[in-house]
Amino acid sequence: GENVEQHPSTLSVQEGDSAVIKCTYSDSASNYFPWYKQELGKRPQLIIDIRSNVGEKKDQRIAVTLNKTAKHFSLHITETQPEDSAVYFCAASSGGSNYKLTFGKGTLLTVNP
Amino acid sequence: NAGVTQTPKFQVLKTGQSMTLQCAQDMNHEYMSWYRQDPGMGLRLIHYSVGAGITDQGEVPNGYNVSRSTTEDFPLRLLSAAPSQTSVYFCASSDGNEQFFGPGTRLTVL
Repeated sequence: GENVEQHPSTLSVQEGDSAVIKCTYSDSASNYFPWYKQELGKRPQLIIDIRSNVGEKKDQRIAVTLNKTAKHFSLHITETQPEDSAVYFCAASSGGSNYKLTFGKGTLLTVNP
Repeated sequence: NAGVTQTPKFQVLKTGQSMTLQCAQDMNHEYMSWYRQDPGMGLRLIHYSVGAGITDQGEVPNGYNVSRSTTEDFPLRLLSAAPSQTSVYFCASSDGNEQFFGPGTRLTVL
């Protein structure tokens, strides 16, 4: 089955700096890669996703890049703000399905004011 | 729309007891899933459904049963609770484009 590795497990940045979280996956058939943000005690919420026919996708301060050859994808957050502090999860799925995801173990991002 | 709802929010069980975690969605989504979240482990897929009457196993199905008799409901049954099933359980539904999570059920098995 699919295996998703996520690094780093914790990340601390100053407000205004950029943050980068990286994930690798094992199944070359995977073609859907979402990122979720989870605040303490809350449910995961989708913040951005990318499919394997696209190399990069951007939404305001958030971007995701995908390298299918190397089987890794990354989340980039620019101009970080304290409200970006949360746990971020990457995930992967084959067949384009977004209902049976394999998740990474998460990155705790802390943005210091 | 209420979105995805889960009941109860919290539950404490004794080892060997059985119970059902309820999940409902009012978005007419075909796809529904159950995940468990443990500290440092991310979310792991327990079971999923691609439509009424169709279910399949995920990564960690042992000790859990599901059924999908209607589009709206996808209950998760713990047959004989064990301390290893102490976790936060999230139900999710999807229209194929985006997966929406419920608020979660925090389960403790003593």
